[in-house]
Amino acid sequence: QKEVEQNSGPLSVPEGAIASLNCTYSDRGSQSFFWYRQYSGKSPELIMSIYSNGDKEDGRFTAQLNKASQYVSLLIRDSQPSDSATYLCAVNVRGSQGNLIFGKGTKLSVKP
Amino acid sequence: DAGVIQSPRHEVTEMGQEVTLRCKPISGHDYLFWYRQTMMRGLELLIYFNNNVPIDDSGMPEDRFSAKMPNASFSTLKIQPSEPRDSAVYFCASSLRSGRDTIYFGEGSWLTVV
Repeated sequence: QKEVEQNSGPLSVPEGAIASLNCTYSDRGSQSFFWYRQYSGKSPELIMSIYSNGDKEDGRFTAQLNKASQYVSLLIRDSQPSDSATYLCAVNVRGSQGNLIFGKGTKLSVKP
Repeated sequence: DAGVIQSPRHEVTEMGQEVTLRCKPISGHDYLFWYRQTMMRGLELLIYFNNNVPIDDSGMPEDRFSAKMPNASFSTLKIQPSEPRDSAVYFCASSLRSGRDTIYFGEGSWLTVV
């Protein structure tokens, strides 16, 4: 059973702080990794994708991937109340071209 | 681009009734996915299609669930008969190719079975 694990939270950070969201996955052969944001009552939307070990930055967001440790993280710098949402980690299943396995998500709350 | 379009947005139905959820993927996308989201189980893949052909339906919970994609611009997910435990948000999503491509979600169909 291929799994993606996330701490469900809630993770609470003050406005302006760095929020750190973590994800581990079980399939060592996974190649593609994604972070989706989901506001309450809305559909998931893609924030970041990462395919190689290391860091990938996009504005206030940085995704970090360590395939040896089977670990992917998302850092949000200068957190804003509008970042309050559930963040879903998703991993592409090896051998299945279209199948993403999602974690259950971490709920982030940014306090003004 | 109109995005992935789902209907109905909300449905309340009685146990035992047939439910049909509809989806129009983004034009040109080769992959279509049906997901179900609940608080307990999170976001689960039910089935996905590539070029209108079902590729993996291992997530379909039981025979009461069926999905079709008669053409590149339309798919249905049917539940017959429906049960209260089917209450969930059902998302349709599509992607251009596979694996590394972004999956775009529709707004979801909120199903309540009473």
